[in-house]
Amino acid sequence: DTGVSQNPRHKITKRGQNVTFRCDPISEHNRLYWYRQTLGQGPEFLTYFQNEAQLEKSRLLSDRFSAERPKGSFSTLEIQRTEQGDSAMYLCASSRDRGHGYTFGSGTRLTVV
Amino acid sequence: AQSVTQLDSHVSVSEGTPVLLRCNYSSSYSPSLFWYVQHPNKGLQLLLKYTSAATLVKGINGFEAEFKKSETSFHLTKPSAHMSDAAEYFCVVSLNRDDKIIFGKGTRLHILP
Repeated sequence: DTGVSQNPRHKITKRGQNVTFRCDPISEHNRLYWYRQTLGQGPEFLTYFQNEAQLEKSRLLSDRFSAERPKGSFSTLEIQRTEQGDSAMYLCASSRDRGHGYTFGSGTRLTVV
Repeated sequence: AQSVTQLDSHVSVSEGTPVLLRCNYSSSYSPSLFWYVQHPNKGLQLLLKYTSAATLVKGINGFEAEFKKSETSFHLTKPSAHMSDAAEYFCVVSLNRDDKIIFGKGTRLHILP
């Protein structure tokens, strides 16, 4: 069990650029979640996958955001045409089953300048 | 709809004294409840979870939480605070019929020497 891995740890980008983050969940976990955390707030749900199926998306996930989990293993979160308001910590979590708790990665901190 | 309210944004206690972090939840269904801790520049770590078994849940690092359905509460306690407990604590609720987990806004715990 190597935990949930997120890359990169930090990303600084200019407004209008596209960025992509990667999450590698714990290998036997079939559920994968993305959250966004801004300063002083709790993490907010963005989307989640069961295997390769994206089962729910938050209204926070505008059309500039897209997430994939093509083979039911790692996942990517892409933000197109970044805006300063996208600056946040993007957290990935995985779980084996409902109610078992969620293991979080260390996050990717995005700064849009 | 489900939600979770953490009643205090900041709590300060002296080292060696008891800790109480308050959490109330709102859920139409039988919830699973969790407490997570986030140390500065670190990932979220699961402290403990309640999933409809024993109402008094013991977690790591001496923390406990009691599920009180009549009060819709899930307060986190520790008998004696340690300097290393200084961190942000999040109360989290998950519906058993849903996979999404909802975070409270967090309580920052300060430990005074």
